[in-house]
Amino acid sequence: DAKTTQPNSMESNEEEPVHLPCNHSTISGTDYIHWYRQLPSQGPEYVIHGLTSNVNNRMASLAIAEDRKSSTLILHRATLRDAAVYYCILRDPDYGGSQGNLIFGKGTKLSVKP
Amino acid sequence: GAGVSQSPSNKVTEKGKDVELRCDPISGHTALYWYRQSLGQGLEFLIYFQGNSAPDKSGLPSDRFSAERTGGSVSTLTIQRTQQEDSAVYLCASSELWSRSGNTIYFGEGSWLTVV
Repeated sequence: DAKTTQPNSMESNEEEPVHLPCNHSTISGTDYIHWYRQLPSQGPEYVIHGLTSNVNNRMASLAIAEDRKSSTLILHRATLRDAAVYYCILRDPDYGGSQGNLIFGKGTKLSVKP
Repeated sequence: GAGVSQSPSNKVTEKGKDVELRCDPISGHTALYWYRQSLGQGLEFLIYFQGNSAPDKSGLPSDRFSAERTGGSVSTLTIQRTQQEDSAVYLCASSELWSRSGNTIYFGEGSWLTVV
């Protein structure tokens, strides 16, 4: 999988929007951009994914740059429960061999203040 | 079941003993992953199965670690002669091999291993 770069940590106030950036300058044309988050003492959970167009779901929005070399996960109103480590990874849906090695970076640790 | 199931959820073992950790993926998921996460650390990739075969075992920390998958379903991660540095949560995940959705990965709750 192509490499992604994220800030180590970010802080937000409760009920304010949060924009979590991710750079993926070596993304290929078939890579999907996925976001996962890991709440304390839990396994990671899926948040959202996209290919080219911006995406919205109940949890968040994903804004993808036109050149696809960066993306931003948007939490519209942060809650205390959103405090977690957020991972941005790239996935090629048609893979085999070593492409199956799914490598997570260190992610961004989001702190939410009341 | 509806999600990825792992057992045991917690295991305390004595140094030098062998342990087996089990992962039951989501039905129909061809890809299965094992990760290790030490306290306060990131996710360390261990091994990936495509069906019953593991194309790349280089992520396993040492030859004390082995994993197998049978019937394209359940996987077992075995740690022989456990050491204190093996203490961590071991996470299993599964996904479809190919789909238009870009292979969303589903994680289990993990098996917390403590070696004393």
